[in-house]
Amino acid sequence: EVQLVESGGGLVQPGGSLRLSCAASGFTFSSYEMNWVRQAPGKGLEWVSYISSGGSAIYYADSVKGRFTISRDNAKNSLYLQMNSLRAEDTAVYYCAREGIVGASTFDYWGQGTLVTVSS
Amino acid sequence: QLVLTQSPSASASLGASVKLTCTLSSGHSSYAIAWHQQRPEKGPRYLMNLNNEGSHSKGDGIPDRFSGSSSGAERYLTISSLQSEDEADYYCQTWSTGIRVFGGGTKLTVL
Repeated sequence: EVQLVESGGGLVQPGGSLRLSCAASGFTFSSYEMNWVRQAPGKGLEWVSYISSGGSAIYYADSVKGRFTISRDNAKNSLYLQMNSLRAEDTAVYYCAREGIVGASTFDYWGQGTLVTVSS
Repeated sequence: QLVLTQSPSASASLGASVKLTCTLSSGHSSYAIAWHQQRPEKGPRYLMNLNNEGSHSKGDGIPDRFSGSSSGAERYLTISSLQSEDEADYYCQTWSTGIRVFGGGTKLTVL
């Protein structure tokens, strides 16, 4: 069974940093592209970042470019999101999501999310 | 610019059918999309991938009541024999090199 479990969320002050983790199981993690997607309270889904299976290709949404860094450790079956210079508008539930559909860059499995609150 | 447009809300009666629409921005009518469901207080769930010819492939365990179709720049999600558990937010999503895009979502109410 495919499982994605996020952790690392919490309350952080504006300008602070936080590192999210996503533990993957039930599939060969190193073979799949991965993403982070977020959802602000009461709002829709917003794509945040993508990383290829080997980590050589990385993309970011303009809203986080220069502040967030996506990475992965295939030996540990884990995906990460380092978030720096956090702003109130970064407050959201953060989901990790697998891209597993051949020929389509979409998300076939999602985690349950971890809440990040940026507030003083 | 690649944009997806969805109506904010829809409603239909228990046991009836409903058709949700996702519209691709000008110049992007050939793009495939995906549909995702998000029940209250839950994480999103992949429903299906849908191309411009209406061919769709569903995710694991998605009932036959869910189907997809296409016409021009519009992509549709039809849910038949509505059940109370179908009350949820539905998001369409597409992609291009270096970017993934979501529509604003449609909140479906089952009456």
